[in-house]
Amino acid sequence: EVQLVESGGGLVQPGGSLRLSCSASGFTFSSFAMHWVRQAPGKGLEYLSVISSNGSITYYADSVKGRVTISRDNSKNTLYLQMNSLRAEDTAVYYCVKPWAPKGFSFDYWGQGTLVTVSS
Amino acid sequence: DIVMTQSPLSLPVTPGEPASISCRSSQSLLYSNGYNYLDWYLQKPGKSPQLLIYLGSNRASGVPHRISGSGSGTDFTLKISRVEAEDVGVYYCMQALHTPNTFGQGTRLEIK
Repeated sequence: EVQLVESGGGLVQPGGSLRLSCSASGFTFSSFAMHWVRQAPGKGLEYLSVISSNGSITYYADSVKGRVTISRDNSKNTLYLQMNSLRAEDTAVYYCVKPWAPKGFSFDYWGQGTLVTVSS
Repeated sequence: DIVMTQSPLSLPVTPGEPASISCRSSQSLLYSNGYNYLDWYLQKPGKSPQLLIYLGSNRASGVPHRISGSGSGTDFTLKISRVEAEDVGVYYCMQALHTPNTFGQGTRLEIK
């Protein structure tokens, strides 16, 4: 059974940093690109970032480019999202997402999400 | 970025009645391989989104046959032939052809 378990969210002051983690199991993690999607409270879904299966290729949405770094450790089946210079508008639930095909962009599994709150 | 526009944004439906949601994209989602890179997701209250339909018309595992997706190019439709209480939630379309993926605003389906 595929499982994606995010952690690392919490309350952080504006300008602060957080590192989110996503522990994956139930599939060959090292074969799949992985993605992050977020959802602000009461709002819709926003695509953030993707990393290729070997970590060599990354992409970031304009809203987080320069402030966020996606990475992965295939030996630990774990995906990361390092978030710096956090702003109030970064307050959201952050989802780790698996595509249904190794290089695909359709998402068949979503984690339960981890809430990041940016507030003083 | 590709703009995805859903309608309606709110959809009250009587159980047993059909429901339909429209999704339009600002650019064609039809790729040269003949597939439309358009997905539908349902986010039930308090839950993570779940994949319903991928590549425009393919049901994900476990999705009942009363839920179907259709369309091509820039116009797509999600149909539920007979709405049940378990269908309550917010439905999102998402284009998966152009980076970055983009989502529609969401359509909230509620039971009358």
